[in-house]
Amino acid sequence: EAGVAQSPRYKIIEKRQSVAFWCNPISGHATLYWYQQILGQGPKLLIQFQNNGVVDDSQLPKDRFSAERLKGVDSTLKIQPAKLEDSAVYLCASTGQPNTEAFFGQGTRLTVV
Amino acid sequence: GEDVEQSLFLSVREGDSSVINCTYTDSSSTYLYWYKQEPGAGLQLLTYIFSNMDMKQDQRLTVLLNKKDKHLSLRIADTQTGDSAIYFCAEGDTGKLIFGQGTTLQVKP
Repeated sequence: EAGVAQSPRYKIIEKRQSVAFWCNPISGHATLYWYQQILGQGPKLLIQFQNNGVVDDSQLPKDRFSAERLKGVDSTLKIQPAKLEDSAVYLCASTGQPNTEAFFGQGTRLTVV
Repeated sequence: GEDVEQSLFLSVREGDSSVINCTYTDSSSTYLYWYKQEPGAGLQLLTYIFSNMDMKQDQRLTVLLNKKDKHLSLRIADTQTGDSAIYFCAEGDTGKLIFGQGTTLQVKP
């Protein structure tokens, strides 16, 4: 079974530029999550999708972050414009049935300079 | 708000037992989890415990849950150098999780 795929693995941008991350969850997984992991901290949930609908985006800084999952499969997370404090690893996870294990991708490491 | 706290660093010798501790605040969480993160890798679920259990054993791993004190621990028996990693405690439900800041486990040969 293929795991959660994320791209790119690494990205370096200048502040005020835009960036987008892509996630392909495990086939058939209805629920998808984006997490932000700042160096030295635990991951923090940004947004949760159920199929193509947003379940929880209360922790997403909506002035600069946006996410979509238009067809209920792949998802993109965008930052526009980026700030220095957005430097982090962005992790995508997916789950199938309720109360089952969440599978995480390897993440995209973003460095904003 | 909900919070999960862990000690930041633990160093043990190969073959010893490791005990990583965690405290949490949200008593309504259905499950409590332990994840492992190796350098450059994503998060790997090690084990979890249902909130109405006190203990769970899975090969070298033992999870203890003290609901009264909101304290969770992970014991790794016969710790190996391959166990060196960051261990995260998390509370929540399935993929909607609140993580601690992680405990770095260093295993010395």
